[in-house]
Amino acid sequence: AQSVTQLGSHVSVSEGALVLLRCNYSSSVPPYLFWYVQYPNQGLQLLLKYTSAATLVKGINGFEAEFKKSETSFHLTKPSAHMSDAAEYFCAVSDHGNKLVFGAGTILRVKS
Amino acid sequence: DTEVTQTPKHLVMGMTNKKSLKCEQHMGHRAMYWYKQKAKKPPELMFVYSYEKLSINESVPSRFSPECPNSSLLNLHLHALQPEDSALYLCASSSRQGNYNEQFFGPGTRLTVL
Repeated sequence: AQSVTQLGSHVSVSEGALVLLRCNYSSSVPPYLFWYVQYPNQGLQLLLKYTSAATLVKGINGFEAEFKKSETSFHLTKPSAHMSDAAEYFCAVSDHGNKLVFGAGTILRVKS
Repeated sequence: DTEVTQTPKHLVMGMTNKKSLKCEQHMGHRAMYWYKQKAKKPPELMFVYSYEKLSINESVPSRFSPECPNSSLLNLHLHALQPEDSALYLCASSSRQGNYNEQFFGPGTRLTVL
């Protein structure tokens, strides 16, 4: 079964610094991968998705992620953090039962 | 309209009450989902409806009863819940049930069972 592992339950960066949130997947077949963001007391919003069309995927709010098959990774990056980026981020993989399987989540804190 | 709406936003109920959660989307999506999210945890899938038919039930206790009256509406009927059922209940929809179809989430209903 497919799964994802998010390294680091909490990440803290300074405003303007690079954001790097790590996600590694486990899949026996080419995966479909997603990054979602959840602000406090809200639902999840899709940031970007990988569906094998391109290894570098650009999403909303300046985020992007690169699919690296050799490293089984799909890390999320943003060149310059903004205070409004503070939220919880979930990496997810769609398994072949048509279900989304989420990682444990990473809470991003942005310091001024 | 690219929104999934959920009502109510908050719900407090006793263990003997019967209540319902409602989810609506007008994006023409044919797959709809219920998730349960406990504090500081990722969402866990409960049910999937595809073309108004239940396609996945993740062994959810019978005190949770889903219903899909039409392609735009999804309900979750609650009866005899336990305090441990307190959580954020999220509804989502996608154009179809399938690996590459991203799911759009509603804001959730915060449920407290006393």
